[in-house]
Amino acid sequence: GNSVTQMEGPVTLSEEAFLTINCTYTATGYPSLFWYVQYPGEGLQLLLKATKADDKGSNKGFEATYRKETTSFHLEKGSVQVSDSAVYFCALSGTESSYKLIFGSGTRLLVRP
Amino acid sequence: DAEITQSPRHKITETGRQVTLACHQTWNHNNMFWYRQDLGHGLRLIHYSYGVQDTNKGEVSDGYSVSRSNTEDLPLTLESAASSQTSVYFCASSDPRGYEQYFGPGTRLTVT
Repeated sequence: GNSVTQMEGPVTLSEEAFLTINCTYTATGYPSLFWYVQYPGEGLQLLLKATKADDKGSNKGFEATYRKETTSFHLEKGSVQVSDSAVYFCALSGTESSYKLIFGSGTRLLVRP
Repeated sequence: DAEITQSPRHKITETGRQVTLACHQTWNHNNMFWYRQDLGHGLRLIHYSYGVQDTNKGEVSDGYSVSRSNTEDLPLTLESAASSQTSVYFCASSDPRGYEQYFGPGTRLTVT
């Protein structure tokens, strides 16, 4: 079945450092891919998405490219801020007959001043 | 603006009691979902619904039930609360055209 694997956290960076959070997936068909962010004490918010191969999703300085050949959707940001400290979840849509999302286990990011 | 709300935000209850967590969305979405979030387990799907009168079990449905009598609401009921159900519960909704889900703020439930 479909699944998502994320890198283990926590990831600790200094402010203005480059961020990469790895996400790989296993899927049949052509799923959509998502990154969600969860700030402390809040629900998940959609950060960005990509619906087909080679699409690049971007938002708030974050980017991720849908790579079908490597089954990856890595999250990147060129210069992180303290306010980016949060838990990041990679997710993919289910099969054509399902509206469920399959989530990775989440990666905690801590950015130090 | 459309939104999804959950109530209560915090709840403490005793083992064996019935508890209902409310979820209300004004997106007019057909699809609604309940998850629980626990350290080390990420998000786990409890129940979901694709429309009025439709309900389906997720991966951790034992001890939980839902009912869908209108588009806006999907209450989650714990029939007889157990300490293992202490968790943070999130409700989400989605439009079938986009798959992306919109989450509520969560309910922190403690079963003593």
